[in-house]
Amino acid sequence: SAVISQKPSRDICQRGTSLTIQCQVDSQVTMMFWYRQQPGQSLTLIATANQGSEATYESGFVIDKFPISRPNLTFSTLTVSNMSPEDSSIYLCSVGILLANYGYTFGSGTRLTVV
Amino acid sequence: ILNVEQSPQSLHVQEGDSTNFTCSFPSSNFYALHWYRWETAKSPEALFVMTLNGDEKKKGRISATLNTKEGYSYLYIKGSQPEDSATYLCAFSNNNDMRFGAGTRLTVKP
Repeated sequence: SAVISQKPSRDICQRGTSLTIQCQVDSQVTMMFWYRQQPGQSLTLIATANQGSEATYESGFVIDKFPISRPNLTFSTLTVSNMSPEDSSIYLCSVGILLANYGYTFGSGTRLTVV
Repeated sequence: ILNVEQSPQSLHVQEGDSTNFTCSFPSSNFYALHWYRWETAKSPEALFVMTLNGDEKKKGRISATLNTKEGYSYLYIKGSQPEDSATYLCAFSNNNDMRFGAGTRLTVKP
């Protein structure tokens, strides 16, 4: 299975600033997923990042707030823009195939605290 | 709307105890049910993917069952060890989507 390197692992940021999270995969993958887990909440899909096209965002998430880049089949970034304390969460990138009989592979997560 | 519910939210057990927790999910348009273990500062790790009603899967001391007709899955841990301490996530998928529960946080005390 794929191995994902995600960074930074954690950060403390001032409100109003932006943070870019990077994920590097050791093999070429078609789709990469970005998730968020707010304290006490479910792991929630933010968007699906496709190489060569714009990311597909889930309801409640917009490109201006969470711009995503996918320059090639092994790399993606998620930016959390104009941060507020409500953005304090764990952010995870993931790769996988929805209808496969094996689970998704995840990065180790970015724990973001906005103060 | 795909609502995946996990209970309990957290659980504290003594080393050697056996334990179990529940994942409930929509019973319509079912494709697969996933279980993941997520240790602090690590990646969520896939434990099981189950697709058939009545499926039972086992990995060491951990096993899981699936009832797609009534929409629930149980995860069992036999003889819990401190290294089992983690958050256990389940995820339901249909043809279009995969949705996660909020997880059960297990703490095993030595």
